[in-house]
Amino acid sequence: EVQLLESGGGLVQPGGSLGLSCAASGFTFSTYAMSWVRQAPGKGLQWVSTISGSGGSTYYADSVKGRFTISRDSSKNTVYLQMNTLRADDTAIYYCARGGGLHGDFLSRYFDYWGQGSLVTVSS
Amino acid sequence: EIVLTQSPATLSLSPGERATLSCRASQSVSSYLAWYQQKPGQAPRLFIYDASNRATGIPARFSGSGSGTDFTLTISSLEPEDFAVYYCQQRSSWPRTFGQGTRLEIK
Repeated sequence: EVQLLESGGGLVQPGGSLGLSCAASGFTFSTYAMSWVRQAPGKGLQWVSTISGSGGSTYYADSVKGRFTISRDSSKNTVYLQMNTLRADDTAIYYCARGGGLHGDFLSRYFDYWGQGSLVTVSS
Repeated sequence: EIVLTQSPATLSLSPGERATLSCRASQSVSSYLAWYQQKPGQAPRLFIYDASNRATGIPARFSGSGSGTDFTLTISSLEPEDFAVYYCQQRSSWPRTFGQGTRLEIK
């Protein structure tokens, strides 16, 4: 069974930093791209970032480019999102999702499994 | 950036009725479009991928169609558990984008 478990959310002041982790299980981690998608309170879904299965390619939304960094550790089956220079409009539930990359089966090129999300609140 | 526009914003129907949700892209996405369902307090769930393929475990009453810029999600006969928010999403280009969602509510 595929499972994605996010951790690391919380309250942070504007301009601060926070790191999210997503522990994956139930599939061969290194063969799938992994992504982060966020949802501001009461709003729709926004793609944030994707990392390829090898970790060699990364993609970012313009709104987070230069501030957020996605990475992965295949020895720990974990994907990370390091968030710096946080702003109030970064406040959201951050979902870890499997897929979203350019390779693999067609299904996994979308976000085919999701974690339950981690709430990040940026406020003074 | 490809903008996805969903309509209507809210759809009020009764169980047993047919639902038709629309997603229009600002430029062609070929068939690289998915639909997700999200219920309150839950993560989204992939329902349809590549415009017309049902994901694992999705009932046959859900069907997707379209290509290019115009796409439709059809639910042939609504069940009580189908009332939720539905989002479309394209994988044709970066950045990946979602529509703003259609809320399907019980009439």
